[in-house]
Amino acid sequence: EAGVAQSPRYKIIEKRQSVAFWCNPISGHATLYWYQQILGQGPKLLIQFQNNGVVDDSQLPKDRFSAERLKGVDSTLKIQPAKLEDSAVYLCASSFGATYGYTFGSGTRLTVV
Amino acid sequence: GEDVEQSLFLSVREGDSSVINCTYTDSSSTYLYWYKQEPGAGLQLLTYIFSNMDMKQDQRLTVLLNKKDKHLSLRIADTQTGDSAIYFCAGPGPRAGYALNFGKGTSLLVTP
Repeated sequence: EAGVAQSPRYKIIEKRQSVAFWCNPISGHATLYWYQQILGQGPKLLIQFQNNGVVDDSQLPKDRFSAERLKGVDSTLKIQPAKLEDSAVYLCASSFGATYGYTFGSGTRLTVV
Repeated sequence: GEDVEQSLFLSVREGDSSVINCTYTDSSSTYLYWYKQEPGAGLQLLTYIFSNMDMKQDQRLTVLLNKKDKHLSLRIADTQTGDSAIYFCAGPGPRAGYALNFGKGTSLLVTP
């Protein structure tokens, strides 16, 4: 089966600019996750979708981050405006449900300068 | 991932066994997982264990679960240089249906 697709692979922006990441999950996976992985740390959940509804966005900095999953398939994550501390790898994952194994995409490496 | 703790670094010689340990706090999920991350790649599901099991063996991998102590370990037998990577333990989220919590990862270095 095709894996979780993410784009772009790399992005470099200046602080205060905006950026968007895109994720296409595995077909049939109802649950989609966005994780932020700062260098040297484990993935930290930003937002969890079940179909097109939000299950958990308690750790999403809502003043600058937004995410949507229209039609319960693809998802976009946006940062506006970006800060230096947003430099990280943004990982998208999907699964049949929260207690099933996740399939991760390769991630988008964001550098804010 | 502050609810999932792992040792940060482990170095072993090729051919030896590696044991990576993890402790978790929440207990709302029924599965616990080990993921592997190679440089520049996403996380790859390595193995998992159901919470009513004590042990699971999958080729060179053995997962041990002590549910009472909330302790999970991953043993890799006959460790190879290709096993060098970061290994993440993933434990239950705060409530049923919530996403897994990941530890900070254990960096495994296998030397010839």
